[in-house]
Amino acid sequence: SQTIHQWPATLVQPVGSPLSLECTVEGTSNPNLYWYRQAAGRGLQLLFYSVGIGQISSEVPQNLSASRPQDRQFILSSKKLLLSDSGFYLCAWIHGAGGLNYGYTFGSGTRLTVV
Amino acid sequence: SQQGEEDPQALSIQEGENATMNCSYKTSINNLQWYRQNSGRGLVHLILIRSNEREKHSGRLRVTLDTSKKSSSLLITASRAADTASYFCATDDGQGAQKLVFGQGTRLTINP
Repeated sequence: SQTIHQWPATLVQPVGSPLSLECTVEGTSNPNLYWYRQAAGRGLQLLFYSVGIGQISSEVPQNLSASRPQDRQFILSSKKLLLSDSGFYLCAWIHGAGGLNYGYTFGSGTRLTVV
Repeated sequence: SQQGEEDPQALSIQEGENATMNCSYKTSINNLQWYRQNSGRGLVHLILIRSNEREKHSGRLRVTLDTSKKSSSLLITASRAADTASYFCATDDGQGAQKLVFGQGTRLTINP
């Protein structure tokens, strides 16, 4: 069966420090991968998506970047965090072909607090 | 920009009552989906309705879609305390990369 792992669950980082959040999917190959951010009490904002290794599309210009070094690994990074980067970060995946017919599968999320 | 907008933002009802949440969107869609989020957790896919469908059922869930009004509703019948969560609609415009645009969500509280 397919599973998605996201870590860490919570993170408190000082302003100006680097960030690396990791998401991995097991039990499937060539998934589409997505990073979303959710502000407190709000909806989800799509940050990045990837349809294959090394292929990253950015939806919102900001202080963050994403990479996909392996087929089932998606990493969200920042060189210097800002206070506004605080939020709940969610990774999601679907099958690459027609997967949206079955909906996204989300990880459990990382709550990032920048202090 | 947000595609789906839910209404109401918050809803509080008694256990056993029915809960109805609405979603409006702005552009043409390929399908519309509803998700549930328990506090501090990831989202869980509930149901998907395609643009050529008008109504769909899954257990105690009933979803309707009116493409002429660009709106959808989610009905939860015979609510339970465990249904307490936030509910989000999300739309797929079918333009590739299978991206979903989420609304702001409805916070549903079921009082025992």
